[in-house]
Amino acid sequence: GAVVSQHPSWVICKSGTSVKIECRSLDFQATTMFWYRQFPKQSLMLMATSNEGSKATYEQGVEKDKFLINHASLTLSTLTVTSAHPEDSSFYICSAETGGANTGELFFGEGSRLTVL
Amino acid sequence: DAKTTQPTSMDCAEGRAANLPCNHSTISGNEYVYWYRQIHSQGPQYIIHGLKNNETNEMASLIITEDRKSSTLILPHATLRDTAVYYCIVAKTSYDKVIFGPGTSLSVIP
Repeated sequence: GAVVSQHPSWVICKSGTSVKIECRSLDFQATTMFWYRQFPKQSLMLMATSNEGSKATYEQGVEKDKFLINHASLTLSTLTVTSAHPEDSSFYICSAETGGANTGELFFGEGSRLTVL
Repeated sequence: DAKTTQPTSMDCAEGRAANLPCNHSTISGNEYVYWYRQIHSQGPQYIIHGLKNNETNEMASLIITEDRKSSTLILPHATLRDTAVYYCIVAKTSYDKVIFGPGTSLSVIP
């Protein structure tokens, strides 16, 4: 199946710094990518929908100035957590749809674990 | 909010069939039923999806009731590696934003 890769898989940063997480579709082009956040023992929470060449659509309660999303190409979307604080520590996961003929499945990255000290 | 309800947890003996139920009573005519699973600290993995007919692939079978208000995911011969959280989701297509509910935590026991 199609492959979605995230980088880094884990990152530790100091409070107040910004962290960028990349999501790449390795063998297909993705018009739309989704970003999720998952806290321990909880389900995935959709943060935003990222569309290539346009502004991301954020879910209610997600600060767009805090979580900057850029989808500059059909194979790359980035999530930047700005001025990170300990409460931003979480598991961030992206997913991508393959576009074209709809196979019906969504492909997920391996996830990126952020720890803010 | 998620449009599905699932049991919080289930146990299954290794080698036996695991039957995971899902209720989706408000599903609309053009929505599919998707199943994903998430093994600890990994991204979710697609398992199977269907509209109204039963479906089978190398991983599992999906049984959808005639009224489409519920479905069952069947893992025919559960192994320890099938221990994961299983999510049942309804969505129009993979282009739809996918909302995850709490899922069912399946423990396969030796």
